[in-house]
Amino acid sequence: DAGVTQSPTHLIKTRGQQVTLRCSPISGHKSVSWYQQVLGQGPQFIFQYYEKEERGRGNFPDRFSARQFPNYSSELNVNALLLGDSALYLCASSPLFNEKLFFGSGTQLSVL
Amino acid sequence: DQQVKQNSPSLSVQEGRISILNCDYTNSMFDYFLWYKKYPAEGPTFLISISSIKDKNEDGRFTVFLNKSAKHLSLHIVPSQPGDSAVYFCAASGETSGSRLTFGEGTQLTVNP
Repeated sequence: DAGVTQSPTHLIKTRGQQVTLRCSPISGHKSVSWYQQVLGQGPQFIFQYYEKEERGRGNFPDRFSARQFPNYSSELNVNALLLGDSALYLCASSPLFNEKLFFGSGTQLSVL
Repeated sequence: DQQVKQNSPSLSVQEGRISILNCDYTNSMFDYFLWYKKYPAEGPTFLISISSIKDKNEDGRFTVFLNKSAKHLSLHIVPSQPGDSAVYFCAASGETSGSRLTFGEGTQLTVNP
């Protein structure tokens, strides 16, 4: 079975640009979460979606937005990129709302 | 406000010996704790978990201990193997937070042959 897949694997953007990251959960999983991992730190929660509805949002500015599609895949959008947005963005899925997470390999975003 | 803290950025042990990774938390609402392992260029992989109603959980070479009064948990790996070399993250969640996890900073474990 395929695990959580994320695209692209690497991305380079410049300040002020916008970026869209994509995630496909494990088949049958209805919950998708997004995390940001800055070098040397643990992953920080950004969003959780379950059954296409936002179920939680971390302490991130409104420049960050996400959505979940009917097939349970998800996109994370970041507008007006800042240098500090450079990080590994991890997507995770779980079968239901309150279960352990299965992570993808992440998208490494570099903002220059 | 770091609610989950791993005070040791790195740990080095000899193959065959025990590895002990520690984690402290401050939020009393946390009732479920997990350990994840992360290799470079890969996402975190679930290792083992423990509910707050238990004080110990074992899975093969891995054992997690929870001390609720001290708000402390530890992961024991016995015996340690070179393939265990990775970054280990402690994470916690509360009943009402869905699968939202609060992670520690991670501990780089190196197991020397």
